[in-house]
Amino acid sequence: EPEVTQTPSHQVTQMGQEVILRCVPISNHLYFYWYRQILGQKVEFLVSFYNNEISEKSEIFDDQFSVERPDGSNFTLKIRSTKLEDSAMYFCASISGYYGYTFGSGTRLTVV
Amino acid sequence: EDKVVQSPLSLVVHEGDTVTLNCSYEVTNFRSLLWYKQEKKAPTFLFMLTSSGIEKKSGRLSSILDKKELFSILNITATQTGDSAVYLCAVCSNSGYALNFGKGTSLLVTP
Repeated sequence: EPEVTQTPSHQVTQMGQEVILRCVPISNHLYFYWYRQILGQKVEFLVSFYNNEISEKSEIFDDQFSVERPDGSNFTLKIRSTKLEDSAMYFCASISGYYGYTFGSGTRLTVV
Repeated sequence: EDKVVQSPLSLVVHEGDTVTLNCSYEVTNFRSLLWYKQEKKAPTFLFMLTSSGIEKKSGRLSSILDKKELFSILNITATQTGDSAVYLCAVCSNSGYALNFGKGTSLLVTP
């Protein structure tokens, strides 16, 4: 079964540093997403990406965040100047059309 | 503001019991409601519901949607220890395909 692949699985970074989280969505999917889950809290939508541009973003997705699809396969989330409260599990997901999402296994980001 | 509320937040049952998990929602322009199972990491897809009153089944799991009363239930019969997980309900609205998740129900099935 096709998978969404995320790397790294765990990243520890110092406060103020920039991090890039990487995702390889399922190849024929058209819509790509980032979600995050702070420990003990609910999964929260960050941003959706379609046709090489952001189609929707939440209030959480401020100027500190950016997304890119630098080539035909990778989809990245960049967090500039990380803060302690950015510590969370970050999930990438992709869908083809209207049907159920496929989530990646997540990157656990720890900001120290 | 869109809301998805799951209950109970946690549940402990014995193997063999039947459980019912609840999800109520208030969203504008409802499109679909999805159930996921989350064990260690990524949520794994269980069901997507779009129409009222049509039960979806997969083995011991089933789910139904009531669009008039704005809720869904997820039933698990003859529970097994492998059913222990957090069950997430999420709603997709027509404003996009973004999912609005509830806080989840943490289910523990004891032997």
